[in-house]
Amino acid sequence: DQQVKQNSPSLSVQEGRISILNCDYTNSMFDYFLWYKKYPAEGPTFLISISSIKDKNEDGRFTVFLNKSAKHLSLHIVPSQPGDSAVYFCAASGTHTGNQFYFGTGTSLTVIP
Amino acid sequence: SAVISQKPSRDICQRGTSLTIQCQVDSQVTMMFWYRQQPGQSLTLIATANQGSEATYESGFVIDKFPISRPNLTFSTLTVSNMSPEDSSIYLCSGYRDLNIGEQFFGPGTRLTVL
Repeated sequence: DQQVKQNSPSLSVQEGRISILNCDYTNSMFDYFLWYKKYPAEGPTFLISISSIKDKNEDGRFTVFLNKSAKHLSLHIVPSQPGDSAVYFCAASGTHTGNQFYFGTGTSLTVIP
Repeated sequence: SAVISQKPSRDICQRGTSLTIQCQVDSQVTMMFWYRQQPGQSLTLIATANQGSEATYESGFVIDKFPISRPNLTFSTLTVSNMSPEDSSIYLCSGYRDLNIGEQFFGPGTRLTVL
């Protein structure tokens, strides 16, 4: 049972425009959410996180929005740069999950110069 | 964050053999984990590597198939035993120091192909 879903396997965006990556989850007990970026032949690297007490967290060009009622989070990248081309994973955890982080299947972002 | 290295980076193995993957962290970490990422799927937690004691396995994963060692706070191994083509996957180790922060950092992964 996939508790964290990324329904768009790929996304293409022009350089300078906004990239919006979406993630949905099913378990309302999740209270901590993260985004990871993964380049080919490398492990995922942490990008940004948000806890359920907030609905927005911003770090430079990256902003994560959380809509708890919709069980939805999104990652906005503005402006998008070619170096942002990578696979982006969202992940969720909660006090009930212990050490378990539940990952989505990833969205491959291509930023076109 | 810490730097994690894994060896080997990739391997091609025959059915029925075993492969041990090594994970080295450049500084002490509280927790270490092993994940699997099968083609087109998300990262799935195999087990938590506990220092000095038996690993804690997630549902669907057993010690006989995936024995894990963690002799100290910076090193762990995962063995994929009696391999079959279904074990072809990317295996990643990860770690984090502070459970409250929740941020994990990952190794580069080991790409395993079983023929």
